[in-house]
Amino acid sequence: GAVVSQHPSWVICKSGTSVKIECRSLDFQATTMFWYRQFPKQSLMLMATSNEGSKATYEQGVEKDKFLINHASLTLSTLTVTSAHPEDSSFYICSAAQEANEQFFGPGTRLTVL
Amino acid sequence: AQSVTQPDIHITVSEGASLELRCNYSYGATPYLFWYVQSPGQGLQLLLKYFSGDTLVQGIKGFEAEFKRSQSSFNLRKPSVHWSDAAEYFCAVVPGGSYIPTFGRGTSLIVHP
Repeated sequence: GAVVSQHPSWVICKSGTSVKIECRSLDFQATTMFWYRQFPKQSLMLMATSNEGSKATYEQGVEKDKFLINHASLTLSTLTVTSAHPEDSSFYICSAAQEANEQFFGPGTRLTVL
Repeated sequence: AQSVTQPDIHITVSEGASLELRCNYSYGATPYLFWYVQSPGQGLQLLLKYFSGDTLVQGIKGFEAEFKRSQSSFNLRKPSVHWSDAAEYFCAVVPGGSYIPTFGRGTSLIVHP
């Protein structure tokens, strides 16, 4: 149980385009979902926390207009990178929590912006 | 604010040797403690966790970790490392009642044949 999926697993896009990444909790309802960014050889950096039906809470320094998060249901959250640029290239990981204290992580999405 | 320290950026061991990865945390109360493993290009896989009770925790893939309150440590161990254990290992701490972990910077495990 407690499986989280992400789609796509990797994506290549042109600079200036927008990319949407989906995060789904497959076998449980997630009250809260999280989006992380990971640079090579570094730890995870929390970008934002989202609760179903409400606006996401962004961490300091994360542009909310650039990284749009929608949490439409208890099993789906999406991250849209708008007007992507090469510096947005990264590994994006989502996680989902059913209750406090433990998150379940997705497999990650590799974004490359040309 | 809580912090998590993984003092070793890289650790190199020979296949079959024992392993210990260190993790220390700074937090007022006993938090919830986790170890994750990440293979290149993959997400995080939970190895084990400590919430309460027995301070020696058994996880998957033959890993175990021991919580030592007096040392604020939660070190990960494995008696005999396999080449497939080569990966990045992250220690994480979650304060009680919180959803959000604080991660250590990670330790890269290299396994020599």
